[in-house]
Amino acid sequence: EPEVTQTPSHQVTQMGQEVILRCVPISNHLYFYWYRQILGQKVEFLVSFYNNEISEKSEIFDDQFSVERPDGSNFTLKIRSTKLEDSAMYFCASSAGGGSYEQYFGPGTRLTVT
Amino acid sequence: QKEVEQNSGPLSVPEGAIASLNCTYSDRVSQSFFWYRQYSGKSPELIMSIYSNGDKEDGRFTAQLNKASQYVSLLIRDSQPSDSATYLCAVKRGGADGLTFGKGTHLIIQP
Repeated sequence: EPEVTQTPSHQVTQMGQEVILRCVPISNHLYFYWYRQILGQKVEFLVSFYNNEISEKSEIFDDQFSVERPDGSNFTLKIRSTKLEDSAMYFCASSAGGGSYEQYFGPGTRLTVT
Repeated sequence: QKEVEQNSGPLSVPEGAIASLNCTYSDRVSQSFFWYRQYSGKSPELIMSIYSNGDKEDGRFTAQLNKASQYVSLLIRDSQPSDSATYLCAVKRGGADGLTFGKGTHLIIQP
């Protein structure tokens, strides 16, 4: 069964460093998303991406964040200058579109900022 | 402000019984409604989607939607210990909009 994959599973970085989290959405899906979940808190939407551009972004997704689809398979989230409060699980999700709105989540990347 | 409210639990249900999980949402423009299951340390796993008022059944799971009351529920029949997890209610508007999640209900199935 097709699934969303994410790398790395765990990333440790120092405050102020840049990180790039990578995702491979399900093949033929058209909509891509990033979410985060701080430990013990709810899953929060960051950004959606469709047709090679951002469709919607939340208040969390400020100028420190960017997304890119550099090729036909990868979808990346970049955090330019990490802060302690960026420590969280980051989930990528994708949906097929065309009337199908179910979003399927990857296993997540645990980001630890020290 | 889009809000999704769930009772955090824990909700304890005996094995074999019916577990009933509830969710209310504030955004009247919401069109799509989902239930996800999340085991500790894992990612959300889609269980059910529902788009129109009424019931939708899939195996042991039944989702119920009442848009007038802004209420979504999930029933789990013949509950199994493996159903013990946190159940997340999520809603969205249309198209490429992101999901708004509730905090989840922690369900414990007692053997």
